[in-house]
Amino acid sequence: GAGVSQSPSNKVTEKGKDVELRCDPISGHTALYWYRQSLGQGLEFLIYFQGNSAPDKSGLPSDRFSAERTGGSVSTLTIQRTQQEDSAVYLCASTRPGAKETQYFGPGTRLLVL
Amino acid sequence: GDSVTQMEGPVTLSEEAFLTINCTYTATGYPSLFWYVQYPGEGLQLLLKATKADDKGSNKGFEATYRKETTSFHLEKGSVQVSDSAVYFCALMEGGKLIFGQGTELSVKP
Repeated sequence: GAGVSQSPSNKVTEKGKDVELRCDPISGHTALYWYRQSLGQGLEFLIYFQGNSAPDKSGLPSDRFSAERTGGSVSTLTIQRTQQEDSAVYLCASTRPGAKETQYFGPGTRLLVL
Repeated sequence: GDSVTQMEGPVTLSEEAFLTINCTYTATGYPSLFWYVQYPGEGLQLLLKATKADDKGSNKGFEATYRKETTSFHLEKGSVQVSDSAVYFCALMEGGKLIFGQGTELSVKP
């Protein structure tokens, strides 16, 4: 079956521009996560959506970062006024109801800020 | 907060060698523990997990035992193959989200 998909796979942008990254979770998965993988910081949690509950935004590094999840499915991570230190691979993951311990990851979006 | 520390790489081994990648954690409770693997050009995938003390997770010949006394979850494999070359991440779950170690790159030479 289809896994978690992310788009675009690669994004190059100029410093100061806004970018939007998209995640399509596995159908039927109720929880959705965003992580960031960078050389300096390793793999770090950004934000977590669980059903209709308020998202856990505790990992967002600054107020330039935001995310939304529409209709309990697709999610968009937005980075405003991008900086060079935002360059990283942004990973999305989802889990089945009642099985949050097995997270299925997408292939990631590689973001390069020039 | 909770954290995970794993041995730094890269680790280079010959085929059929024994593998150990050390992982220790700091946590206020007893979180579930995981090993994830990222093969070249592929996405992150769950390799194995253990949800309570003394549990052993295993998959594809890899094993790790949840040791509460030493707060460790070391990854082992008795005989590695070239196809095991990848980056391995130890992680714990806190409040539904994963906290990862820095990752260990393994390279297996024929």
